[in-house]
Amino acid sequence: NAGVTQTPKFQVLKTGQSMTLQCAQDMNHEYMSWYRQDPGMGLRLIHYSVGAGITDQGEVPNGYNVSRSTTEDFPLRLLSAAPSQTSVYFCASSYSAGGDNSPLHFGNGTRLTVT
Amino acid sequence: DAKTTQPNSMESNEEEPVHLPCNHSTISGTDYIHWYRQLPSQGPEYVIHGLTSNVNNRMASLAIAEDRKSSTLILHRATLRDAAVYYCILRLNSGGSNYKLTFGKGTLLTVNP
Repeated sequence: NAGVTQTPKFQVLKTGQSMTLQCAQDMNHEYMSWYRQDPGMGLRLIHYSVGAGITDQGEVPNGYNVSRSTTEDFPLRLLSAAPSQTSVYFCASSYSAGGDNSPLHFGNGTRLTVT
Repeated sequence: DAKTTQPNSMESNEEEPVHLPCNHSTISGTDYIHWYRQLPSQGPEYVIHGLTSNVNNRMASLAIAEDRKSSTLILHRATLRDAAVYYCILRLNSGGSNYKLTFGKGTLLTVNP
């Protein structure tokens, strides 16, 4: 059981380039989300999804797009990378979006540097 | 959204108990209290959660105040591997903004040998 898998682990981009951070879970989880973590800032929610075809914005959505075409995958797209998007990105999932208290399962993160 | 307040950092000695506090004075009756920890260079991992009663699992214990405005994560015998950032968050037992699970800065726990 792989849990939550994020790829790539590391990425360097030039300003203006685009890329997609991949997140996949094999636990049939309904809820998936993306966080970014900057030094001294804790985890900040970017986007989340409560099921296939449903996404919504978190605290810091600007500059990022998401889609949820399948239950398993929740990619995060940077359309035009900026140095301010240099961060560590974590994907997390849980069995349900609400109504019970299934814990969040996190991936190991993608470290992104934009130069 | 209900907020939590934690000390920025705490220090402990190995083999001693550690009590990590969390204040959540605006908690509502249906909010669950969740704790996560993040070891260096890793993603956060779930530790424990509870609603009203104290909870125990193999990792820790959670003591919840009678008025639910505060809680304490208890590590009974700290080890060097417990050095991490500990996050206390509230998870609403309903929809809507429940889904916006927000983390604060957490408490950095240092364990001295």
